[in-house]
Amino acid sequence: QSALTQPASVSGSPGQSITISCSGASSDIGAYKYVAWYQQHPGKAPKLIIYDVSTRPSGISNRFSGSKSGNTASLTISGLQAEDEADYYCYSYTNTVTTVFGGGTKLTVL
Amino acid sequence: QVQLVQSGGGVVQAGRSLRLSCAASGFPFTNHGYQWVRQAPGKGLEWVALIWVDGSKINYVDSVKGRFTISRDNPKSTLYLDMTSLRAEDTGVYYCARDISVAGLDQWGQGTLVTVSS
Repeated sequence: QSALTQPASVSGSPGQSITISCSGASSDIGAYKYVAWYQQHPGKAPKLIIYDVSTRPSGISNRFSGSKSGNTASLTISGLQAEDEADYYCYSYTNTVTTVFGGGTKLTVL
Repeated sequence: QVQLVQSGGGVVQAGRSLRLSCAASGFPFTNHGYQWVRQAPGKGLEWVALIWVDGSKINYVDSVKGRFTISRDNPKSTLYLDMTSLRAEDTGVYYCARDISVAGLDQWGQGTLVTVSS
């Protein structure tokens, strides 16, 4: 049950695009189309922004998009806005009927 | 509206037990699986336990196996996490969450703080 690997931090200016990577293994990200991404602001509960690799829940901006290639998933945020500044976590189902989070990435909007 | 309302957190001595509850409202409780997720102070999210929609699959992170039990009471629309033999490293905010996919938790409780004192 090793955590997925994310960069500790990323940054970008308003209007720019950023991508956060999430590296896993053939037993989790590589095995299924069950990857999700969560946004968490300080002191708040996490919020689902992408599930099943690339599906946005109702109400989530289309500035958020997800993809997967092999054992690595990615979250792209386009047209960065100040309110995007938050922690982002990837999450995957695994072949042992468990789920696992990434370590989290702090996004700073410059 | 759709809500998950948590209760049961608090301060407890190491070795003791605690039960967390998560009461659902505004949607059919039996249509979803549920998970517990925790977050140690200043740290990232950690998955703790899951229970499938029909209760046929239950699983835990290795560090709580044999100590924690997830369960659901469908008539009461309530999810539980029974925690025994608590350790200092179990300290954190615990969240319950509803799934819309095998790996998509779309509704979260407000979180409840569990502090294990040694």
